[in-house]
Amino acid sequence: RKEVEQDPGPFNVPEGATVAFNCTYSNSASQSFFWYRQDCRKEPKLLMSVYSSGNEDGRFTAQLNRASQYISLLIRDSKLSDSATYLCVVKYRGGGADGLTFGKGTHLIIQP
Amino acid sequence: DTEVTQTPKHLVMGMTNKKSLKCEQHMGHRAMYWYKQKAKKPPELMFVYSYEKLSINESVPSRFSPECPNSSLLNLHLHALQPEDSALYLCASSQDWTSGGHEQYFGPGTRLTVT
Repeated sequence: RKEVEQDPGPFNVPEGATVAFNCTYSNSASQSFFWYRQDCRKEPKLLMSVYSSGNEDGRFTAQLNRASQYISLLIRDSKLSDSATYLCVVKYRGGGADGLTFGKGTHLIIQP
Repeated sequence: DTEVTQTPKHLVMGMTNKKSLKCEQHMGHRAMYWYKQKAKKPPELMFVYSYEKLSINESVPSRFSPECPNSSLLNLHLHALQPEDSALYLCASSQDWTSGGHEQYFGPGTRLTVT
């Protein structure tokens, strides 16, 4: 089975700091990459897709490194409301059962 | 509108009951998904429907029976469940399954307790 690995954390970060975490994937036949955030007892919400050239959305920057098979998420000027679990999702080519794989998530706690 | 709705929000059922979970989206998405999520774990894919046909069944026990009546609706019929089936059941949709447009939008989930 194709694997997606994340450091579960928790990452305890003071408000206003910059935090980054990575997600590694095991198979190079990957097609699409995403970051989701999930708050406690809520559904996952799409944070951003990750593009080959990297992309930014406000305080959030996502990068893809195909050579080393990882994606990263950088959060600048962290807010208390950024506290959540961040899930990395990889979509592999084709429609097989391994086509969509979730990482176990990284738990982020922003402290006042 | 990126909304996926699910009903009911909460469900308590006995092991001999039959119940159904419902999911609806009006984004014109052609792929719909059922996931099961236990506390502190990531969502586990159960079923994928693509163009109203079942594409993926992740070896889910037959006491879970999915149904896709049309492109906007997805049901999950439950029968003779076990207490270990208690979990959050999430529905999601995306533009497509095999080609591009894989951003998934999740519904709020149904929190199921089997007694």
